This record gives sequence, structure tokens and C-alpha cells, in this order.
Amino acid sequence: DIVMTQSPDSLAVSLGERVTINCKSSQSLLYSPNNKNYLAWYQQKSGQPPKLLAYWASTRESGVPDRFIGSGSGTDFTLTISSLQAEDVAVYYCQQYYGGLSFGGGTKVEI
Amino acid sequence: QVQLVQSGAEVKKPGASVKLSCKASGYTFTNYLIHWVRQAPGQRPVWMGWINAAYGNTKYSQNFQGRVTITSDTSASTAYMELNSLTSDDTAVYYCARSIYGCDYWGQGTLVTVSS
Repeated sequence: DIVMTQSPDSLAVSLGERVTINCKSSQSLLYSPNNKNYLAWYQQKSGQPPKLLAYWASTRESGVPDRFIGSGSGTDFTLTISSLQAEDVAVYYCQQYYGGLSFGGGTKVEI
Repeated sequence: QVQLVQSGAEVKKPGASVKLSCKASGYTFTNYLIHWVRQAPGQRPVWMGWINAAYGNTKYSQNFQGRVTITSDTSASTAYMELNSLTSDDTAVYYCARSIYGCDYWGQGTLVTVSS
């Protein structure tokens, strides 16, 4: 099974500040035949299902603000929120879909 | 609009089984995988398995192999997940979600409580 590890577990930042969340997979998520990384990012607010923010590591889902930026390749990935807004308070998860699905432990973002 | 509507909350005794449903609308049911994911309070989501509604083939997490069965009824655009031999550790919110790449639509979740 592919194990996903996120850091930090939580962070508190001020409005307008930059947020960086890291995600590491136990094996490469890069599929060479199509050169795509099978990694997605989600935002989850209390009492709601996860919301897809990005897939293929860096492709933003339709309707997601451009302050959410996914990057990385292979085993190391990052989600950056360029300027934190009040509505971004949530738990963020990375997820691999290279083999089944598995999620990181989550990063709680607070103000 | 795309919707996944799940069945209502369940309370089960240890050792029992539960079967949940997930009715899809607003898209072609057979064009997507349907995953089942569960989440205990304060924990990360855990994948249980998926079904390819077009062909009916399934893939299960090793963590649930032998205890979970996912099926679908294409005429009703509905997926089902049955989990057997329930214990208190199975108390969680269970979600269905559709995907091609990443899970772009999710059901509202079904709370399953296992208690004697």
C-alpha cells in the first residue's frame, strides 16, 4: 500500500499570509507513460465531505481560486495557498490515486 | 447538476452487516468509478474500494478485503456498499464519491454507528 505523509499537522497563520503544506508518498506517483503524477489535494470543512482542489498534482479543479497552487513530482508534493482568506480555514488532505486511493493525515489550517 | 445522494444513518449491533446506497444523477453513471471512503471522527479518510459501473468490476482495499462488497445497479444509477462483521471500530461516516482522476463529487455521507 502507498503511504501518504503530510506536514505539518497544523498551522496558524494571519490573513493574507502564505501557507505551505507538504505531502510525501512512500513510492513515486509519477506514471512514466503519460508523465502524470497521480496526486490530488482536498479541502475539508467541518461536517462536509472533502472538496477536490487539484489533481495531476497541479491541475486546479474548475472553480477553485487561483491562490491554491499544487506542485511537485515523484514522491514530494506541495500545496500552497498564496494569500490565506478567512474561508480557507479547513483541513487539507493529499491523496494518491496511483494504486487504489490513500490519504495523508491532514493539515489543519487556522487563523 | 451532478448529485450523489446516500441513504440515511444506520445503527447496528456488533457482528451485524450494513448495506448503504449511493444514487447518482446528473451524469452518465457508467462513465465514472464510484469509490467508498469512510472517515472516523478526527481521522483521515480511508478508502474501502471502488466499482467500475460500466463493467461491474471492483477493487477493494486489503484492509477490508473479505468483509466488504461493492455492487451497482446501472438501471437505477445506484451503487451499494455492504460491510459485514461490524465492530465498534466501524463507527464512521461513509462516503461515496465519483472519479476519473481525483474524486470530484461526493455524497453527503452516511453515519454508521455500531453499538451494543
